Amino acid sequence: KQEVTQIPAALSVPEGENLVLNCSFTDSAIYNLQWFRQDPGKGLTSLLLIQSSQREQTSGRLNASLDKSSGRSTLYIAASQPGDSATYLCAVTGTASKLTFGTGTRLQVTL
Amino acid sequence: GAGVSQSPSNKVTEKGKDVELRCDPISGHTALYWYRQSLGQGLEFLIYFQGNSAPDKSGLPSDRFSAERTGGSVSTLTIQRTQQEDSAVYLCASGTLNQPQHFGDGTRLSIL
Repeated sequence: KQEVTQIPAALSVPEGENLVLNCSFTDSAIYNLQWFRQDPGKGLTSLLLIQSSQREQTSGRLNASLDKSSGRSTLYIAASQPGDSATYLCAVTGTASKLTFGTGTRLQVTL
Repeated sequence: GAGVSQSPSNKVTEKGKDVELRCDPISGHTALYWYRQSLGQGLEFLIYFQGNSAPDKSGLPSDRFSAERTGGSVSTLTIQRTQQEDSAVYLCASGTLNQPQHFGDGTRLSIL
């Protein structure tokens, strides 16, 4: 059974700092990995999707990497802003496109 | 809007009642998913539809839970004889193969 772990569970940083969120998964037989953002009381917004054959994806200040063989992914956020405050979830796609989610990292960016 | 729409946004009901949750996916998305998000369990997969058929129902927690999809579009998740442990946010997502899933804002279900 696939298990996804995210570290840290919570993180508080001052505005402007670069930060890294970590995700690990136990079964390397995945189709892709996604990073999502969730704001309080809202659904999930997909940030980046990395196919299993890819090593990284970039979107603006976000960069996600994937090391499938070691079961790890990182989400790098450059020059953090208060608007980045949210819960960040990683999820891997196994069979039938079913997502298995990590427990999330709650990020707070302070002024 | 063109996003995934879920209704109701909030539902409070008494233990033992049946509830129906609705999901309107993005037009053209053949895949539809239901997930449950609760404090103790995080985000869990419930069921996956491809068109109107459900090839993966492995996440449904008990036979009190059922779901259907009609016309390759709208889906309803039904919970019969609700229990307090059913209290959670139920999220629906739609998508196409190997593309990001698009999520609705969820239905917050509270069982008294």
